[in-house]
Formats: sequence, structure tokens, C-alpha cells
Amino acid sequence: GESVGLHLPTLSVQEGDNSIINCAYSNSASDYFIWYKQESGKGPQFIIDIRSNMDKRQGQRVTVLLNKTVKHLSLQIAATQPGDSAVYFCAENTPHNAGNMLTFGGGTRLMVKP
Amino acid sequence: GAGVSQSPRYKVAKRGQDVALRCDPISGHVSLFWYQQALGQGPEFLTYFQNEAQLDKSGLPSDRFFAERPEGSVSTLKIQRTQQEDSAVYLCASSSQGSYSNQPQHFGDGTRLSIL
Repeated sequence: GESVGLHLPTLSVQEGDNSIINCAYSNSASDYFIWYKQESGKGPQFIIDIRSNMDKRQGQRVTVLLNKTVKHLSLQIAATQPGDSAVYFCAENTPHNAGNMLTFGGGTRLMVKP
Repeated sequence: GAGVSQSPRYKVAKRGQDVALRCDPISGHVSLFWYQQALGQGPEFLTYFQNEAQLDKSGLPSDRFFAERPEGSVSTLKIQRTQQEDSAVYLCASSSQGSYSNQPQHFGDGTRLSIL
């Protein structure tokens, strides 16, 4: 299938290493943040979320850190596996008109070397 | 359980033709969203429904784009008189709660639209 993100920033890591993907968000009114993983030919897949009243949240092999002072998010993946290879997007959830809308960052391609 | 389902997966149309893209959200989900994703970029918001009500259509790029969700479940995105710049992946997402709730949006695999 057609690749997602042909010209995206790329992070290349060795299998088994930890990965850190960073994201800057733009709207100080955003109160909820989500990380998505997108494989080629598929839709974004929910990984983990965090609300603005938290600064850290852990899932299975993943951790999200939120620094509201500098409007920065990061996604940490422990013991990265080949199946983690994909494009990763952060999204900020912002009150907009009659509801919320997600605004996506530009994405980072993660490549895992066996 | 079934996720968000979109059809067709691929659509090729000639410039000037009308197209209709279908989204079946997760059963019971109140909110439904449409996004447009250009190659190499993140999805961009088009429109939002809460049940059958279209509460926000500020992201629709022109009046050639029209979306509906008449019974609060299945939604259709229609593009009239397609142009080459309409070529993109159209993604549908749904979430379980309504306006202003902080719940994750779950995406379908999209329809890849190519306009010749």
C-alpha cells in the first residue's frame, strides 16, 4: 500500500532499545492529548492519552509525558519491537465551536532495525 | 468487536464526477468525525456530528463537500464535481461521548480517493 508520511522526520532505533518521540503542541487551551500509531494503508490507532491535569501516564510498554509549561508531549516506547515501526502522531483535543476537535502534529516515522 | 468501518477502501473518479464515501461508526458511539489526510501529513478536521446533528462543519474545504448522518449512525461524506486537489485519504472516527468530553476518537482505515 501507499506509505504514510514519505517526508516525515524519522527516528531509527535498534530492536530492544527504548524510543522517545517528541511533539510540540500549539494551543494552550488544549486539555486532552492522544498519541496515535499509523501503519501504511491503515487509519490512526489509539495508543495512549493524557489529560491536562496530569504530567505522566503509563501504559503497556508506553509512557506519555506532558509539559504544559513549554507545550511539549513525548511518547516513550520501552523495548522497541519491529511491530512498532509506523508513523506516530500526537493530537491535541481543543474545544472548538460545538464540541472538540483533534489537531494533529506533523508525525514522526519510527523505524526499528532488527 | 467491530471497529469503525469505511467503504469503499479505494475510489477512483474522473474530475467533475460526484463521489460518496460511507462510514459505519462503532455501535452506540454518539460522536462521529470526518478528517482528510494528505500524503505525508496528519489528518485534518472536516466536520463533526453528535448523533444526527452536524454541530461543526468549519473544516469542509468548499461547498462541494457535504456530510450527513440522518439516523445518528451511518454517515456519508459526499463530494460534488470532484477536483484533483480532493485526492486524499478520508478518515472517519467515532467516540462514545458527546460534545466537550475527553474520550479517544477511534478511526477507520479510510477511503483513498484518487481524482484523475
